[in-house]
Amino acid sequence: EDQVTQSPEALRLQEGESSSLNCSYTVSGLRGLFWYRQDPGKGPEFLFTLYSAGEEKEKERLKATLTKKESFLHITAPKPEDSATYLCAVQARNSGYALNFGKGTSLLVTP
Amino acid sequence: DTGVSQNPRHKITKRGQNVTFRCDPISEHNRLYWYRQTLGQGPEFLTYFQNEAQLEKSRLLSDRFSAERPKGSFSTLEIQRTEQGDSAMYLCASSGLQPRKTQYFGPGTRLLVL
Repeated sequence: EDQVTQSPEALRLQEGESSSLNCSYTVSGLRGLFWYRQDPGKGPEFLFTLYSAGEEKEKERLKATLTKKESFLHITAPKPEDSATYLCAVQARNSGYALNFGKGTSLLVTP
Repeated sequence: DTGVSQNPRHKITKRGQNVTFRCDPISEHNRLYWYRQTLGQGPEFLTYFQNEAQLEKSRLLSDRFSAERPKGSFSTLEIQRTEQGDSAMYLCASSGLQPRKTQYFGPGTRLLVL
């Protein structure tokens, strides 16, 4: 059965203090790995899609990387507005087009 | 591109009542998905449509749940005889047809069953 595990569950950073969020996955044939950001009471906002091991994508202070077993979301010099829950999801080749999400990492960046 | 819209944004109902939610996808998107999210959890897949055809349903989608997309545009999700365990955020997403197309989510409908 496909599984997605995110760690840590919660992370508190000082403004400017870089860190990484982890997403470990087991899937029978990865079609894609997706990162979303979710603010309280809102729907997930798309950040990145990664398709194969070794791939990297960047957007402002965020950089996502992918290996055969896990993905990292690196946050460089975060700002308070980066505070949100970050969700990782996998799409497997043999399970239609459903996204299988982890529970998320709740990030708080303090000034 | 106005994004995915969902109505209502909030719904409070009493146990045993029926409720219906609506989702309007991004206009050129052929696929439409429904997910459910409870507090502290990631979204869980319920069902998806390609145009008007419902192609996949999760085992989470009990007999009390029904979804339609009659003309391949907007979709409705109905919950009959609501239970307190149905309280959750119901999220709709849409995507293009290509296999690895990104799913874009709407703002969700928050359901509270008293």
